[in-house]
Amino acid sequence: DVKVTQSSRYLVKRTGEKVFLECVQDMDHENMFWYRQDPGLGLRLIYFSYDVKMKEKGDIPEGYSVSREKKERFSLILESASTNQTSMYLCASIPGPGTGAFFGQGTRLTVV
Amino acid sequence: DQQVKQNSPSLSVQEGRISILNCDYTNSMFDYFLWYKKYPAEGPTFLISISSIKDKNEDGRFTVFLNKSAKHLSLHIVPSQPGDSAVYFCAASALQGAQKLVFGQGTRLTINP
Repeated sequence: DVKVTQSSRYLVKRTGEKVFLECVQDMDHENMFWYRQDPGLGLRLIYFSYDVKMKEKGDIPEGYSVSREKKERFSLILESASTNQTSMYLCASIPGPGTGAFFGQGTRLTVV
Repeated sequence: DQQVKQNSPSLSVQEGRISILNCDYTNSMFDYFLWYKKYPAEGPTFLISISSIKDKNEDGRFTVFLNKSAKHLSLHIVPSQPGDSAVYFCAASALQGAQKLVFGQGTRLTINP
């Protein structure tokens, strides 16, 4: 079974803190994604990566950056956390074209 | 610009009856479409997909129908069971590029005993 693991299920951070969300997949997938889920808005793409050290902005990249130093690990960074970044963050990886994404269990981040 | 839309935020269905979830899209370049199911505090899990060259795909109690001319797809669940209560997301993707998934807003399905 494919496994996508996010480092934390729940996080509480203070405004202005730098926050790291880690995601690891164990199936050698090239494409990895970070989404956030908010009520009524569905899943919105923040950043994605199609290879090591390669990254592209998604639909809502402002306030975020990413790092992919190794194929299996894709990190999302909140440079200076703000309350409007309180959300459920979901990491995903895709085996190849025409297939669905495998998601991690999600990280519920609260910024206070 | 919402490329994938689920216009019904919620749906309530009696156990044993059919649940029909709908999804509309605007981008003709999408090559395949997927449905995901999500429970609270968990990541979405893949349910079923359909290629743009097909109009129907069936997997057990789940059937997805695609109407390309109307840019509309639907997920049918029959018979509906209490464990089907969850949020369902429609998603679409293109084969070219990074295969990023574009999601709808989700529909909360509640199955009543």
